[in-house]
Amino acid sequence: EAQVTQNPRYLITVTGKKLTVTCSQNMNHEYMSWYRQDPGLGLRQIYYSMNVEVTDKGDVPEGYKVSRKEKRNFPLILESPSPNQTSLYFCASSPGGGGSSYNEQFFGPGTRLTVL
Amino acid sequence: SQQGEEDPQALSIQEGENATMNCSYKTSINNLQWYRQNSGRGLVHLILIRSNEREKHSGRLRVTLDTSKKSSSLLITASRAADTASYFCATGQYRDDKIIFGKGTRLHILP
Repeated sequence: EAQVTQNPRYLITVTGKKLTVTCSQNMNHEYMSWYRQDPGLGLRQIYYSMNVEVTDKGDVPEGYKVSRKEKRNFPLILESPSPNQTSLYFCASSPGGGGSSYNEQFFGPGTRLTVL
Repeated sequence: SQQGEEDPQALSIQEGENATMNCSYKTSINNLQWYRQNSGRGLVHLILIRSNEREKHSGRLRVTLDTSKKSSSLLITASRAADTASYFCATGQYRDDKIIFGKGTRLHILP
């Protein structure tokens, strides 16, 4: 089944404790992206990647890191989480070609993160 | 920076009626997409309209795009209870490959 998977689905952690949220897609998509969703603010793009070893900042990259060593995986790293990073996080992927903003995105189920 | 702004923020209509949501944006775009989200779950792609298109249909959905006004509308005809969800527009930018989402419209279909 074609899908985007995220792990963990739920995470409660404490300020300053490094964490990684994994994202994997099995559709051979070139474009992958991370979003955070907060009440009243909609989805905001954190980072995106056009292909392996190519990553770019979205609108809210502060406090986050990403890497794209393999086409299928795009982990989101919080080196020192803070309470303002408490949010619902979504990973998404999209077929490449012609600039991936031309194509529909497939979303993962979301990761609900709470930073105490 | 928020690009798309949906209007209204919330909408309640009777089952069977048509629902119209609007999206406005600020900068030049490659395309505009509409997504649906059910109660905190992942988003589902509904329809994509390119900047050189003016109208597009998919089943009960009709999307229009007016690039001169920098606005789009999503019409859902003959609404059903299952259409209850949040709807988001998302714009693909000319200058880079960012995708910018609006804040969404919460649609509630009353039985």
